Amino acid sequence: DAGVTQSPTHLIKTRGQHVTLRCSPISGHKSVSWYQQVLGQGPQFIFQYYEKEERGRGNFPDRFSARQFPNYSSELNVNALLLGDSALYLCASSLRTSGVTDTQYFGPGTRLTVL
Amino acid sequence: AQSVTQPDIHITVSEGASLELRCNYSYGATPYLFWYVQSPGQGLQLLLKYFSGDTLVQGIKGFEAEFKRSQSSFNLRKPSVHWSDAAEYFCAVVREYGNKLVFGAGTILRVKS
Repeated sequence: DAGVTQSPTHLIKTRGQHVTLRCSPISGHKSVSWYQQVLGQGPQFIFQYYEKEERGRGNFPDRFSARQFPNYSSELNVNALLLGDSALYLCASSLRTSGVTDTQYFGPGTRLTVL
Repeated sequence: AQSVTQPDIHITVSEGASLELRCNYSYGATPYLFWYVQSPGQGLQLLLKYFSGDTLVQGIKGFEAEFKRSQSSFNLRKPSVHWSDAAEYFCAVVREYGNKLVFGAGTILRVKS
């Protein structure tokens, strides 16, 4: 079975632009979470979505938004990019319902560079 | 608030030697604990997890971890390290009924021949 897939693999943008990152969860998984990993640090939680609804949000500005589609895939959008948004963006999927602690499986990530 | 501390930024071990990576967490209730490994430029692979029960958990690639509530620790061990184990290792915690993983800063493992 395919794991979590993310696209694109790499992306280069300039300050002020916006970006859309995409994630497809493992088949059968209904929950998707997004994490930002800045170089040299552990991942930081951005969002969790389950059944197309936001179920959790980390400490990120409103420039960051996301959505989940009926097929459980997800998009992360970042507007007005800053240099500090350069990072590896990781998507994770999990099987069960929101409110139940479950194992999250990560994709390979999208490397975003903001110039 | 939950937090995870990995005291060692870098660790170097010889191939064939034993390994222990330290992880301490700060969380009042029952923690759910994970170890993930990340190869350069890659995503995170789950090594093992602790939800409840036996405090010594076995994972993939010959890794194990022991949950010690009294020490708020969840250290990762491997009896004999292989060169392919060189990577960055992350400890993470999530609260019961939650899904927000809180990660430590990671420990980079180097393996020398």
